[in-house]
Amino acid sequence: DGGITQSPKYLFRKEGQNVTLSCEQNLNHDAMYWYRQDPGQGLRLIYYSQIVNDFQKGDIAEGYSVSREKKESFPLTVTSAQKNPTAFYLCASIGQFNEQFFGPGTRLTVL
Amino acid sequence: RKEVEQDPGPFNVPEGATVAFNCTYSNSASQSFFWYRQDCRKEPKLLMSVYSSGNEDGRFTAQLNRASQYISLLIRDSKLSDSATYLCVVNNRGYSSASKIIFGSGTRLSIRP
Repeated sequence: DGGITQSPKYLFRKEGQNVTLSCEQNLNHDAMYWYRQDPGQGLRLIYYSQIVNDFQKGDIAEGYSVSREKKESFPLTVTSAQKNPTAFYLCASIGQFNEQFFGPGTRLTVL
Repeated sequence: RKEVEQDPGPFNVPEGATVAFNCTYSNSASQSFFWYRQDCRKEPKLLMSVYSSGNEDGRFTAQLNRASQYISLLIRDSKLSDSATYLCVVNNRGYSSASKIIFGSGTRLSIRP
C-alpha cells in the first residue's frame, strides 16, 4: 500500500537532547512537509522540501533542522534550541492535484 | 486578518441534522481548496477537494465562491461518525513557485444521538 509512515508514534525527550523524527513515503511525491500541531490549534509549517537536496524554512523553523537526501525520506530533528517542543508532529507530501497526504504523526513529549 | 479563517465552533447538532461550515480566505490568487477531517489525536485526512462549480460526495457538498472569497461545506443527514474537526485548506501552489499551503484552525463538530 502506498502511503506515508512516521516513527516513532510516541517519543519522550529529556531537556537538552536532540531527537530525530522519521518520515518515509512511497508515493513518489516530490514535495514533503513538516507541521507542528499544538492542542486545540491548527497546523503550523516547520520546513518543506520541493525536491531532493533542497528544503525551505516554514513559519516556525527555529530550533528544528531537516535533510532531504532521498526522495522517499524527510527526517526532522528537534534540537535543544527548540524551547517548547512538546507537540504533535505531522509529515505530509503533496499529490498531483495539490492535495496533501499525511502520515499518522509523532507525539513528542519533553520530560 | 488571518489568511484563512474558520469559525472554531463547537457545533453541537442532533443526529440527522444538516450543518454547514464556512471558511474565508484573504488571497484572491488562491488556486486550490480542500476540506480535511481530523479525528481526535489523529492525522488530517482529505475529505474532498472544492471545485469552482461545486461538488458533491454523498452527504457532503462543497462550494467555492471566488467573488466573496469563501468556501463552504454542507453535511446532510449527519451521523454520529461525522463528529470531528473539519479543516479548511487553501493552496496557492504553482508548478514553478514555492508552495504556500494555508490551514484554517478547524471547526469542531459534535453530533449528539
